[in-house]
Amino acid sequence: SYVLTQPPSVTVAPGQTATITCGGNNIESKSVHWYQQKPGQAPVLVVFVDSDRASGIPDRFSGSNSGNTATLTISSVEAGDEADYYCHVWHSRDDYPKTVFGGGTKVTVL
Amino acid sequence: EVHLVESGGGLAQPGRSLTLSCAASGFNFDDFAMHWVRQAPGKGLEWLSGISWNSVGIEYADSVEGRFTISRDNAKRSLFLQLNSLRYDDTAVYYCVKDVATQANGEGYFSNWGQGTMVTVST
Repeated sequence: SYVLTQPPSVTVAPGQTATITCGGNNIESKSVHWYQQKPGQAPVLVVFVDSDRASGIPDRFSGSNSGNTATLTISSVEAGDEADYYCHVWHSRDDYPKTVFGGGTKVTVL
Repeated sequence: EVHLVESGGGLAQPGRSLTLSCAASGFNFDDFAMHWVRQAPGKGLEWLSGISWNSVGIEYADSVEGRFTISRDNAKRSLFLQLNSLRYDDTAVYYCVKDVATQANGEGYFSNWGQGTMVTVST
């Protein structure tokens, strides 16, 4: 089955840039979506189809997808960005559509 | 505003069954595919199943196919998940999720999530 690999954690100082990667075989051929989950809350869509920001998401959040790696970038990180982030793609196995999430990346703001 | 409210979770013994429900409001329910996603304590997200707007297209994760059954009632704006032969590793928060597409086959993504309902499988 298709596997998405994320770093377990990323630590960043306020005002700096956080880069969260999502690795998958030829992931550039797929649409990648990203979700933010704060402690005790449900996930929230952040970026869809590689680089489109969801409604209400600040432009500090951006996405890209190339080769075997998709990336979510958070610029000028704020304390409120501290959360778990998950990448998400659809793939096909034996002609059946399946969807998979990455293992998640915990972003810690110092 | 989209609202998804799950119910039906609770404590269940191994081998028993449970049915989860999701009440939807704030959008045209019968225009969109819907999904169930779960999250075990301290773990990541796991997609379980999706259903198209008209219930014709239904997909399951390999881990639950044959044990879980998804369904919907568009007249009642409700989504359901029947969990059979419950196992200890089914313990998780179960989320009801709205797709942006009509089909649950990869055309869309997950635009809105409910707050989840906790299922605990224990003796």
